Amino acid sequence: DQQVKQNSPSLSVQEGRISILNCDYTNSMFDYFLWYKKYPAEGPTFLISISSIKDKNEDGRFTVLNKSAKHLSLHIVPSQPGDSAVYFCAASACPEYGNKLVFGAGTILRVKS
Amino acid sequence: DAGVTQSPTHLIKTRGQQVTLRCSPKSGHDTVSWYQQALGQGPQFIFQYYEEEERQRGNFPDRFSGHQFPNYSSELNVNALLLGDSALYLCASSLGHPRGGYTFGSGTRLTVV
Repeated sequence: DQQVKQNSPSLSVQEGRISILNCDYTNSMFDYFLWYKKYPAEGPTFLISISSIKDKNEDGRFTVLNKSAKHLSLHIVPSQPGDSAVYFCAASACPEYGNKLVFGAGTILRVKS
Repeated sequence: DAGVTQSPTHLIKTRGQQVTLRCSPKSGHDTVSWYQQALGQGPQFIFQYYEEEERQRGNFPDRFSGHQFPNYSSELNVNALLLGDSALYLCASSLGHPRGGYTFGSGTRLTVV
């Protein structure tokens, strides 16, 4: 039972354009969401997070939106070739689930120059 | 400042054998979590250690066990290896119980043949 879903296995975007990565979740207990980026042979790196009570969080070129029921999106503007990586959406539910993270399967982003 | 260090980086074991993976958390961190990432999937939570005790456990069999030492480093042990245990094993450290904000290591790639 996949509680966090990233339905697009891959996404290809031209440099300078916007990248939009989507994430859906089924468990209504989740109250905190995070995005991680992973390069090959490296561990996931934290990008940005958002609480369920907020609808937007921005950090430089990265914005996470939480405006639709059980749906999140990560926007990268403008996209750069160095953004090419696997992006994971993760969710947590404290205190019910402790602090463990539940990850989606990831989306491979390729930014073409 | 060293981040999370995992050893070994790669490992090949035979079905039925036992394996021990090691993790040194980021300096100043006291909590260690272990995740299993199978090919094409997101990381799955195995367990978390804090103050040398297993605080939380995911849906993994008892063949998976762990330990945390007084210096906060940790080991993951897997007994009676199965082919399906082949995966990237990630260690993540944190200070206390953050809502996200985990620092991941680069992982140990375990192959069971």
